[in-house]
Amino acid sequence: DAKTTQPTSMDCAEGRAANLPCNHSTISGNEYVYWYRQIHSQGPQYIIHGLKNNETNEMASLIITEDRKSSTLILPHATLRDTAVYYCIVSYDTDKLIFGTGTRLQVFP
Amino acid sequence: NAGVMQNPRHLVRRRGQEARLRCSPMKGHSHVYWYRQLPEEGLKFMVYLQKENIIDESGMPKERFSAEFPKEGPSILRIQQVVRGDSAAYFCASSRDTRDGYTFGSGTRLTVV
Repeated sequence: DAKTTQPTSMDCAEGRAANLPCNHSTISGNEYVYWYRQIHSQGPQYIIHGLKNNETNEMASLIITEDRKSSTLILPHATLRDTAVYYCIVSYDTDKLIFGTGTRLQVFP
Repeated sequence: NAGVMQNPRHLVRRRGQEARLRCSPMKGHSHVYWYRQLPEEGLKFMVYLQKENIIDESGMPKERFSAEFPKEGPSILRIQQVVRGDSAAYFCASSRDTRDGYTFGSGTRLTVV
């Protein structure tokens, strides 16, 4: 599975959009991009995934560049409860999702 | 529809005892995954199972650890002769299809004293 690179940490003001980047320059054509988050020591939470097209659900939007070498997770109106570690994962099959170190997002009042 | 249920939430074992961690997947999910998270570290894949079959156990330690997902009942992660280094949070996840996102349980915190 392709490797991903994410910033170690980011800050975001409450109510503003949080844009979390992820680089996956070695992604292959049939690999999906998945995003999860882990709030404190809770179980990780699935957010969204996509292959080529941009995706949106009730939690977030996923923007994938045309060459698929990078993507951005957008939380449109961040709240304090969105403070968490966000993981970007690239995988062909979800039989073995490999979690990296992720981005620690701190939402402040 | 209940989520992924893990029990117990907290488990304390003395060195040398056995630990049994249970995971009931979401209704309709036939794929189960186990992950381990050591204190202040990331999630590490351990094993992937479907009903009665181990599909990928490449992340499982070679000794003392085993997993099963029987035809009836929950998936079980079993750790024999626990040592202090086994202290960690163990998370189970399930999915309906290999392309779906996982749903994780709340985890079992194992403490070995």
